[in-house]
Amino acid sequence: AQSVAQPEDQVNVAEGNPLTVKCTYSVSGNPYLFWYVQYPNRGLQFLLKYITGDNLVKGSYGFEAEFNKSQTSFHLKKPSALVSDSALYFCAFSSSGGYQKVTFGTGTKLQVIP
Amino acid sequence: SQTIHQWPATLVQPVGSPLSLECTVEGTSNPNLYWYRQAAGRGLQLLFYSVGIGQISSEVPQNLSASRPQDRQFILSSKKLLLSDSGFYLCVGRIQLNTEAFFGQGTRLTVV
Repeated sequence: AQSVAQPEDQVNVAEGNPLTVKCTYSVSGNPYLFWYVQYPNRGLQFLLKYITGDNLVKGSYGFEAEFNKSQTSFHLKKPSALVSDSALYFCAFSSSGGYQKVTFGTGTKLQVIP
Repeated sequence: SQTIHQWPATLVQPVGSPLSLECTVEGTSNPNLYWYRQAAGRGLQLLFYSVGIGQISSEVPQNLSASRPQDRQFILSSKKLLLSDSGFYLCVGRIQLNTEAFFGQGTRLTVV
């Protein structure tokens, strides 16, 4: 079955330190990979996506992610974490070949400690 | 840009009562539409999706149903709510397979 996995329920990082939120995928066909963020008591927002081309994609709020085909990963990164980055992060995928669903990972709670 | 209007934002319903949640889309036509449930602020479980008017695919057999009577209208319903139907319900849209999804603000349903 096609899926994405977020192996960490929660990630804690000190303010100013680099952060990584992990995502791995198992998708047939060409994967389209996305990161979304959900701030407390709010809806989800789009951060960035990988469709094709450059493996390093840059998105909103200084976030970036690297598509790694050999490791089937799409980790979200930021060089310097802010307290305001504390939120719930979702990796998601769809794919070519008529896959109509949007499948989300289980989410990772990021806590940035002042 | 595309937007989804979803209402109500919060809802408290007694067990056994009916449910109707509605979302409408603005800014695009013929979107794929999805209903998700998010339990306890964590993962998103896909309940239904629709690729067009009258076309509904159900992902999880349960007490809920969905309908798409118009291109930009997607409805989640139940005839009799259960306590286990409590949760955060999110309407999601997408234009193409390789484009990002857009989201309603969600409905927090509490069944009492």
